[in-house]
Amino acid sequence: EAGVVQSPRYKIIEKKQPVAFWCNPISGHNTLYWYRQNLGQGPELLIRYENEEAVDDSQLPKDRFSAERLKGVDSTLKIQPAELGDSAVYLCASSRTASRDTQYFGPGTRLTVL
Amino acid sequence: DQQVKQNSPSLSVQEGRISILNCDYTNSMFDYFLWYKKYPAEGPTFLISISSIKDKNEDGRFTVFLNKSAKHLSLHIVPSQPGDSAVYFCAAYNAGNMLTFGGGTRLMVKP
Repeated sequence: EAGVVQSPRYKIIEKKQPVAFWCNPISGHNTLYWYRQNLGQGPELLIRYENEEAVDDSQLPKDRFSAERLKGVDSTLKIQPAELGDSAVYLCASSRTASRDTQYFGPGTRLTVL
Repeated sequence: DQQVKQNSPSLSVQEGRISILNCDYTNSMFDYFLWYKKYPAEGPTFLISISSIKDKNEDGRFTVFLNKSAKHLSLHIVPSQPGDSAVYFCAAYNAGNMLTFGGGTRLMVKP
């Protein structure tokens, strides 16, 4: 079974530029999560999708961050414009359902904003 | 305010000995706890979990202990192996099914 796929693995941009991250969850997993992991810290949830619906986006900075999950499969997380403080690893995870099923994480995208 | 804390950023253990990783939490609404393991350049992978109705759960070399009155849980690895060297994250669910992670502890098992 293929795992969660994320791209790109690394991204370096200058501040004020836009950036997008892509995630393809494990086949059959209805719930998809985006996390941000700052250096030396644990992952923090940004947004959770159940199929196409964003059911928990309270931690998503909506002034500059946006996300979509078209057709309830893969998802894109966008930052526009990026700020220096956005440098982090962005992790995508998926689970069969939202009911505390095991979350499987992708390798993440390491973003560096200069 | 960190609701899940791992106060030891790193731990070094000799191969074959016991590794004990600790985690404290402040939110009494947490009712399900997990440990994740993370290798460099990979995402975290689920290791073991425990419900708040239990005080111990064992899976092979890994045992998680929960002390609800102290709001403390620990992960024991016996015996430790070099392949266990990784960052370990403690995490907890509240009733809203939101997972909150601790900051992680880097375990180094020396041959």
